[in-house]
Amino acid sequence: AQSVTQPDIHITVSEGASLELRCNYSYGATPYLFWYVQSPGQGLQLLLKYFSGDTLVQGIKGFEAEFKRSQSSFNLRKPSVHWSDAAEYFCARGDAGNMLTFGGGTRLMVKP
Amino acid sequence: EPEVTQTPSHQVTQMGQEVILRCVPISNHLYFYWYRQILGQKVEFLVSFYNNEISEKSEIFDDQFSVERPDGSNFTLKIRSTKLEDSAMYFCASSERLAGSSGANVLTFGAGSRLTVL
Repeated sequence: AQSVTQPDIHITVSEGASLELRCNYSYGATPYLFWYVQSPGQGLQLLLKYFSGDTLVQGIKGFEAEFKRSQSSFNLRKPSVHWSDAAEYFCARGDAGNMLTFGGGTRLMVKP
Repeated sequence: EPEVTQTPSHQVTQMGQEVILRCVPISNHLYFYWYRQILGQKVEFLVSFYNNEISEKSEIFDDQFSVERPDGSNFTLKIRSTKLEDSAMYFCASSERLAGSSGANVLTFGAGSRLTVL
């Protein structure tokens, strides 16, 4: 079965620092990859997606992610974190169907 | 911005009771989904629904679960006889289209309904 791994359960960064959240996916046909963010009491909001083409994708709120086939990775980055970015982040893959497979999530905490 | 709305936000029920979770998908979306997240675990796919029938379902979606689109706007998940292990956050989602040659579906999720089974 296809899988998605987010190695970091919790990450704490200082406000203004850079951020990288890791995501690895199991080998398979070119996956469709997504990052979602969940703030407390909110639903899963789509940050960005990769279907094909340029491997560096830009998303909302200043986030970007890079697809690296050789590493089976799709890491999420932000150059300067804001306190409002504190949330849980989910990486997900979609294959040739309508089911998404999610990673376990990474909870981001931001220190003042 | 269009959004998926879910009710109730939190429901507490006794084991063995029936529960109906409700969702109003985005109005021009045609594909509907339920996912769930047990506390501390991954978000898991339950079922997808299109054209008034289930298009895909996971092993979790057994006979005690059912989905329905009773009218033009609501999409419901019914759990016939709840068990303790059904306690979870249930997310409804909708999308305009299915995966195809031009890309995968992009799902819009609701805020979730937290179900607690005692």
